[in-house]
Amino acid sequence: KNQVEQSPQSLIILEGKNCTLQCNYTVSPFSNLRWYKQDTGRGPVSLTIMTFSENTKSNGRYTATLDADTKQSSLHITASQLSDSASYICVVLYYNTDKLIFGTGTRLQVFP
Amino acid sequence: NAGVTQTPKFRVLKTGQSMTLLCAQDMNHEYMYWYRQDPGMGLRLIHYSVGEGTTAKGEVPDGYNVSRLKKQNFLLGLESAAPSQTSVYFCASSYRPEGWAHNEQFFGPGTRLTVL
Repeated sequence: KNQVEQSPQSLIILEGKNCTLQCNYTVSPFSNLRWYKQDTGRGPVSLTIMTFSENTKSNGRYTATLDADTKQSSLHITASQLSDSASYICVVLYYNTDKLIFGTGTRLQVFP
Repeated sequence: NAGVTQTPKFRVLKTGQSMTLLCAQDMNHEYMYWYRQDPGMGLRLIHYSVGEGTTAKGEVPDGYNVSRLKKQNFLLGLESAAPSQTSVYFCASSYRPEGWAHNEQFFGPGTRLTVL
């Protein structure tokens, strides 16, 4: 079954610290992998999109990595800020149907 | 540009009532989508549209209908609401189809629907 699993489910860090969120997927074959940020009460906003041939993609303090061989991706947040408090969702595009498969997200809370 | 807007933001219905959720986008996007988001689950596609006058079923279409009479608007209808349809509904739009490598979907702010 095509699935996208994220860990941890929730994470608390102090402002200024770094953190890494994990995404494991069984979607095969896949076209691309995306990371979204979803603030409470808002819609998801795209952070990065990587094709199967890309290993890393950065967007400011956010850096996503992709290992297509092990079907793993990570999102690294550097020097966290209070505004980073949100849910981060990993999404994989299933090649056979061109449809997105969403993970359940990691809830990140950044405290001062 | 307002991007993707949704109305209403909140709504409470009784079982059996009907309602329509409106999604509007001002980016001239061809592709529009309706998702639902439930606790502990990833977003699931309800219906989508690849252009004005077209609609197609997604992963969880039962109990919902859609219409795309104008390019900028995508309506989601609940014919006879059920408690299982309590959810947060998100509309999204994109310039290209999902299969394009770096195609980005833009999401609206969501509609929180409660069915009693």
